[in-house]
Amino acid sequence: KNEVEQSPQNLTAQEGEFITINCSYSVGISALHWLQQHPGGGIVSLFMLSSGKKKHGRLIATINIQEKHSSLHITASHPRDSAVYICAVRGEETSGSRLTFGEGTQLTVNP
Amino acid sequence: NAGVTQTPKFQVLKTGQSMTLQCAQDMNHNSMYWYRQDPGMGLRLIYYSASEGTTDKGEVPNGYNVSRLNKREFSLRLESAAPSQTSVYFCASSAPGHRDTQYFGPGTRLTVL
Repeated sequence: KNEVEQSPQNLTAQEGEFITINCSYSVGISALHWLQQHPGGGIVSLFMLSSGKKKHGRLIATINIQEKHSSLHITASHPRDSAVYICAVRGEETSGSRLTFGEGTQLTVNP
Repeated sequence: NAGVTQTPKFQVLKTGQSMTLQCAQDMNHNSMYWYRQDPGMGLRLIYYSASEGTTDKGEVPNGYNVSRLNKREFSLRLESAAPSQTSVYFCASSAPGHRDTQYFGPGTRLTVL
């Protein structure tokens, strides 16, 4: 079993829909990251969470440390949101800034 | 600022050939990383360098070597390429105090025939 599990693996939505991507992890963590990988391959960091909730534009990320679970929500989805969304964690026992990554969720938003 | 740059963007090798992937960052970051990304798998850490002068193995180091040439540059070398090393390679860097946010290069798509 991977340390970081994402669901769903693939998600297709219609423009305007509310989207949720889930991330579960099995180890104690000091931080959780959400990243976005564009269709061209570039990877950018969206959020870093250690507790609670963060919002940036139409993106909202939440984390429940007790349940070892995080969600990424996209409100009013748009075709430009189509990308792979990746969850990554820094374990409590991890040295330095090493991260463990989930496999990613491929999101396609149709017009 | 260019951020994190990688060269080359694409490369095709024959089995047994060697090559070096170059990575440079202009953000004065201490830590640098090399990952590979394969279909159906998450990013996997090959090697990392927590600071200039240090390197450590990651999850999948076999078949690779690295050099932290200076604070800016971190190269990845394949001494004898194998088809199993066909992958997309990403370099990343991070700074202490930024809660581990990593900044990624554009990637190198490597095919080993």
